[in-house]
Amino acid sequence: GAVVSQHPSRVICKSGTSVKIECRSLDFQATTMFWYRQFPKQSLMLMATSNEGSKATYEQGVEKDKFLINHASLTLSTLTVTSAHPEDSSFYICSARGPQGSNEQFFGPGTRLTVL
Amino acid sequence: DAKTTQPPSMDCAEGRAANLPCNHSTISGNEYVYWYRQIHSQGPQYIIHGLKNNETNEMASLIITEDRKSSTLILPHATLRDTAVYYCIVRVHWDQFYFGTGTSLTVIP
Repeated sequence: GAVVSQHPSRVICKSGTSVKIECRSLDFQATTMFWYRQFPKQSLMLMATSNEGSKATYEQGVEKDKFLINHASLTLSTLTVTSAHPEDSSFYICSARGPQGSNEQFFGPGTRLTVL
Repeated sequence: DAKTTQPPSMDCAEGRAANLPCNHSTISGNEYVYWYRQIHSQGPQYIIHGLKNNETNEMASLIITEDRKSSTLILPHATLRDTAVYYCIVRVHWDQFYFGTGTSLTVIP
């Protein structure tokens, strides 16, 4: 099946720094990718929808200037957490809409962000 | 917003069938029922989806009631590796996923 990877798998950073997380579709082209955030013992919360070559669409309550999303190619979307603070510590998961003809979304393994 | 209701937790004996219910009473005619599961600290894994008819694949069976207001995911022979949080999601194809709280399934030896 289609594979989505994320890099890094975990990152620790100091408060005030910016962190970039990559999401790649390895064996298919993904015109649309999605970013989720998951706090401990909670469900996944959709943050934004990323379309290749256009601006991302953010869910209500998600700060677009803090969570910068770039989807410059058909296989790569990036999420940059700018000026990270401890409350941004979370599990960030991306997914990609499947190859043409597939109705599935394929999820990446997630990135654990810890802000000190 | 999530449109589904699931029990927060369930236990199942190893080797027995696990039946996970989901209520989606406001489902519309063009919305599919999807099931995903998430093992601790991993990304969600696709299990199965359906529209009206019951579906079966190598992982599970999906039973959808005739009025489509509820469904049941069946894992026919649960193993310890099936311990996970199971999410039932309704969506129109190509639409975003909005996850509910899910059911935490624990398979007991």
